[in-house]
Amino acid sequence: QVQLVASGGGVVHPGGSLRLSCSVSGLNFTDFGMHWVRQAPGKGLEWVSFISYDGSFRSSADSVKGRFVISRDNSGNTLFLQMNDLRRGDTAVYYCTRDGMWRSSSKSAGPDYWGQGTLVTVSS
Amino acid sequence: EIVLTQSPEFQSVTPKEKVTITCRASQNIGTELHWFQQRAGQSPKVLIQYASHSSSGVPSRFSGSGTGTDFTLTINGLEAEDAASYYCHQSSSFPQTFGQGTKVEIK
Repeated sequence: QVQLVASGGGVVHPGGSLRLSCSVSGLNFTDFGMHWVRQAPGKGLEWVSFISYDGSFRSSADSVKGRFVISRDNSGNTLFLQMNDLRRGDTAVYYCTRDGMWRSSSKSAGPDYWGQGTLVTVSS
Repeated sequence: EIVLTQSPEFQSVTPKEKVTITCRASQNIGTELHWFQQRAGQSPKVLIQYASHSSSGVPSRFSGSGTGTDFTLTINGLEAEDAASYYCHQSSSFPQTFGQGTKVEIK
C-alpha cells in the first residue's frame, strides 16, 4: 500500500521557520524524484519544489527561492522541506508527491502519487 | 516560466453531458502536460499523463488530447462523482506550473 505521510505543519509567526517531513512507504522512494506542491485555502495548486532521486538536482518556484530548501534522506525514505522567513502568503496545505520518472537527474514526469497534506498557517 | 491558462474556470453540467476543459501553454511543451482531479476535501489524483495517457484505474469516460500549446480534457457522460476541480500541469521545464483550475459542478 502506497503511503506518503506529511507532517510538521502548524501555526507559525511571520518570519518564523518550520520543517516539513514526508514519510514514504509502499513504493521505491530511492528511485524517484519528489515534489512539494501547496494549496492556499480555497485556491488552486501551486508547485513549490522538486528534488531528483539522488538529490543531485533541485528546483524551486521563484516565490520560495532563497527561503525554502528541499532535501531527502534515502536511507530513511523521508522527504523534507525546510521553510524559513515564512510569510502570510505561504499559508497553505503542503502536499508531498512522487514524480513519475524513474531514476532521472533532471527530467520529470510530474507528480503521480500524492500524500494527504499538512497545513501550514503563518499568522501573528 | 511557462504559464498554463485553463478555461472555463467554472462549469455547471447536467449528468450524462459532455464536459470539455481546455489548457493553453504559453510556449511549446510537446506532450508534457498532465491532468489532475481534486474532489472536495481530498488530495489531487492524476487522471491523464503526457496529454493523452489515462492513469491506471481512471474511468474510460475521461480522455485527453493535444500537443504543443493546446490541450483538452474531455469527460464523456458526466457522472455525479465527477464533481471536482480539474487542473492541468506541465513538467516540460522547471519551474513546473499548474493551470488555475476548473471547477465542475453537477446541476
